Amino acid sequence: KNEVEQSPQNLTAQEGEFITINCSYSVGISALHWLQQHPGGGIVSLFMLSSGKKKHGRLIATINIQEKHSSLHITASHPRDSAVYICAALARGNQFYFGTGTSLTVIP
Amino acid sequence: DGGITQSPKYLFRKEGQNVTLSCEQNLNHDAMYWYRQDPGQGLRLIYYSQIVNDFQKGDIAEGYSVSREKKESFPLTVTSAQKNPTAFYLCASSISGSETQYFGPGTRLLVL
Repeated sequence: KNEVEQSPQNLTAQEGEFITINCSYSVGISALHWLQQHPGGGIVSLFMLSSGKKKHGRLIATINIQEKHSSLHITASHPRDSAVYICAALARGNQFYFGTGTSLTVIP
Repeated sequence: DGGITQSPKYLFRKEGQNVTLSCEQNLNHDAMYWYRQDPGQGLRLIYYSQIVNDFQKGDIAEGYSVSREKKESFPLTVTSAQKNPTAFYLCASSISGSETQYFGPGTRLLVL
C-alpha cells in the first residue's frame, strides 16, 4: 500500500465543470504539496499546505490534518487545465512521498 | 532567468551502456534531488545531495551513481547495472531546510 493514495486515477470533464481530486496519506506530515505535470513532463508546484485552505485563481486546495486527507478543486475547468495532478506528502525527516497522479482531460 | 535545466530532453541508449543525465540550477540552492517516474507509479527518489561533495542514496539507488562537485550541478549516471532504466527522470532543487522543491523539465530515457 502506498503512503499516498490519489483518486480518481483518470478524470474526463466537460469545459466549465467543477473538478475535485482527492488525496489520502498515511504518514505524519509537515506539509502537503499539489503539483501539476504538463504533457512533456514539466512539473509546477501549485500549492503547499500544512492546514486549512488555499486559493489561487480557479484552484482551491484544502487539507484536513485529523483525517489525513487533502482535496484539489478546479472551478470552471478549461481545456488548458488538462494535465496530471500529483499529491506529494512531505513527511518528518524531509522525505517526500508521491501519489501516482490523476490524469485530467477537459473537453471543450 | 533562474531555474533548473536538464539535458537532453530525450535520450536513447543501447542496452549495456552507461549514460549521464545533466541537471544544472542557477537558483543558488544547496539541496538537489533525482527522481524517476514510471507509468502508473509515483515519483521515486534515487539520490539526493544536501551540500556540495556529499550525497545520500534514496529509495532506488541501485544501478545509479551521482556526483556533486559544484553547487550548481548534480549529474546522474545510469549504469548498465540498472535493470529497467527506461523511465522519465526528474531533477529538483531546494533551499536547504525548505519544504518547496523546484523541478526541472525532465529527461526521458529509452533503452533499446
